[in-house]
Amino acid sequence: DTEVTQTPKHLVMGMTNKKSLKCEQHMGHRAMYWYKQKAKKPPELMFVYSYEKLSINESVPSRFSPECPNSSLLNLHLHALQPEDSALYLCASSQLPRDRGPRVGSPLHFGNGTRLTVT
Amino acid sequence: AQSVTQLDSQVPVFEEAPVELRCNYSSSVSVYLFWYVQYPNQGLQLLLKYLSGSTLVESINGFEAEFNKSQTSFHLRKPSVHISDTAEYFCALETSGSRLTFGEGTQLTVNP
Repeated sequence: DTEVTQTPKHLVMGMTNKKSLKCEQHMGHRAMYWYKQKAKKPPELMFVYSYEKLSINESVPSRFSPECPNSSLLNLHLHALQPEDSALYLCASSQLPRDRGPRVGSPLHFGNGTRLTVT
Repeated sequence: AQSVTQLDSQVPVFEEAPVELRCNYSSSVSVYLFWYVQYPNQGLQLLLKYLSGSTLVESINGFEAEFNKSQTSFHLRKPSVHISDTAEYFCALETSGSRLTFGEGTQLTVNP
């Protein structure tokens, strides 16, 4: 069982729909991530939240909108997606140094992902 | 620039045979290296990590990896594989901030 929980496991949406992906962890991690993974490819970083603040946006299109309501929850709001956005969306979390310095060597804990299909 | 190269995209082996999955990296600063495994329809799981100290690191399920600074490599090995080891394996390098640079992955297929 993974310690990072993602819902839903599968999602099919049309290009005009609005939907949200949810992620939850209770390990006390203060960094949370969204990754996108296409078939047979490594994960691609989308967003990083550090101490509930957006710290990295890898030039992701605005049709993807992240939100971190508190230290345990991470959402990804989806609107007006394209078929090429179909992929496995992975959430991850990691520890951060207490002095708020850059992460050094803290491994990522991944959820099992949401399989998104855009029709 | 920092990068990770996994030299084999697919590695088929027979059960109980030894296996090596190769990973080379490029970095101008101190490195922190990881191997992650992804089973079908699941997320990635940490297999092992090298941060500092002993260059040979081991996982609880029999895998080991050796950090070789002169050859800039972090190859993953297991002396005897099982059917259940069939999965995608990713080598990753921690870069600045909270970023991981992943290799393209190696699909290990263990046949009976």
